[in-house]
Amino acid sequence: QLQLQESGPGLAKPSETLSLKCTVSGASISNSDYSWGWIRQSPGKGLEWIGTIHYSGTTHYNPSLKSRVAISIDTSKSRFSLNLSSVTAADTAVYYCARQRGYADYVGYWGQGLLVTVSS
Amino acid sequence: QSALTQPPSASGSPGQSVTISCTGTSTDIGAYNSVSWYQQHPGKAPKFMIFDVSKRPSGVPDRFSGSKSGNTAFLTVSGLQTEDEADYYCASHAASNTFIFGGGTKLTVL
Repeated sequence: QLQLQESGPGLAKPSETLSLKCTVSGASISNSDYSWGWIRQSPGKGLEWIGTIHYSGTTHYNPSLKSRVAISIDTSKSRFSLNLSSVTAADTAVYYCARQRGYADYVGYWGQGLLVTVSS
Repeated sequence: QSALTQPPSASGSPGQSVTISCTGTSTDIGAYNSVSWYQQHPGKAPKFMIFDVSKRPSGVPDRFSGSKSGNTAFLTVSGLQTEDEADYYCASHAASNTFIFGGGTKLTVL
């Protein structure tokens, strides 16, 4: 059974870079049919797609976040990462890692989520 | 890239049916048969309920069904049960290999 586990600091300072990792177990991160992505949910708000990365390294990002987002992948460690730069309080959210079909299709698997608070 | 439009709330009594709409544009829902739906209970990660407009992953009850007409998708929950009370989100593949969610609908089982 595929499992996704987010890890990283639960607190980030304004203007700094938020860095999270997602470890994949129970399935190959190198399966060409899927991409690995990040989705966030601000407190009391809806879901927002951040972007995905394919094992080949191909990335796709939400246009509204593209200038601040970088997603990378380490297939040897079965892990992928999110870097979000110049964070503000508006980036406070639960961050989910996920597996999506293709480059940006349905989300078949979700991590449990990690709350990241941006505050000085 | 604006969020897909969903009604903020919907409700029904146990045993009844309720339909939630999700309106997009010709560059997302109208362009692709890649609409999906997710159920989220408070404090939990979303659960994958419908994909490719109307297909159900294994384990999802057939009380949940999806459809699409033009730029609008629909999720119907038949035979409402108390455990169906949750937030529901639609989503769609969109232009330039992006992905977009709806704003969410809170379903109340009266």
